[in-house]
Amino acid sequence: AQSVTQPDIHITVSEGASLELRCNYSYGATPYLFWYVQSPGQGLQLLLKYFSGDTLVQGIKGFEAEFKRSQSSFNLRKPSVHWSDAAEYFCAVAPPGNAGNMLTFGGGTRLMVKP
Amino acid sequence: DTEVTQTPKHLVMGMTNKKSLKCEQHMGHRAMYWYKQKAKKPPELMFVYSYEKLSINESVPSRFSPECPNSSLLNLHLHALQPEDSALYLCASSHQGALNTEAFFGQGTRLTVV
Repeated sequence: AQSVTQPDIHITVSEGASLELRCNYSYGATPYLFWYVQSPGQGLQLLLKYFSGDTLVQGIKGFEAEFKRSQSSFNLRKPSVHWSDAAEYFCAVAPPGNAGNMLTFGGGTRLMVKP
Repeated sequence: DTEVTQTPKHLVMGMTNKKSLKCEQHMGHRAMYWYKQKAKKPPELMFVYSYEKLSINESVPSRFSPECPNSSLLNLHLHALQPEDSALYLCASSHQGALNTEAFFGQGTRLTVV
């Protein structure tokens, strides 16, 4: 069975500092990989996705993620965090070939931004 | 239009009530989903509809009854819920059978069972 681990439950960074959120997955093959962001009481917004090809993926709001097959990781990065980035971030996987279906989410990382 | 619209945004219901959650999309997606998200937890898949037919039920109790009356609408009928069913209920949609696509989520319905 697939699983997704986000080791950091909470992360606090200063505004303007760089950010890296970790995500590791366990899956029989390379799944489709996603990062979603959720503001309090809101739905999920897709930041970026990886299906195949270039392992460095660019997303919205200045985020990027790198797929590393050898480490089963898909870490999210941003070079300079803004106060509006404070939110909950979820890494998710889906079986390859049917990307929108049956998302399995990691436990989430809550990002707090200090002024 | 890339929106998934859920109504109501908030719902408070008693354990003997019957209510329905609604979800609508006009992106031509033929796969629609219900997820349940408890406080401080990730979303968990409940149901998947494919071409208006229920294709996946993740062992959800029968007090939750999904319905897909057409390709744009998805309902979740609620009856005899328990307080532990209080959660954010998220609807999502995606293209069915198309590679390299992703799910779009609605803003959710915050349900409180009293």
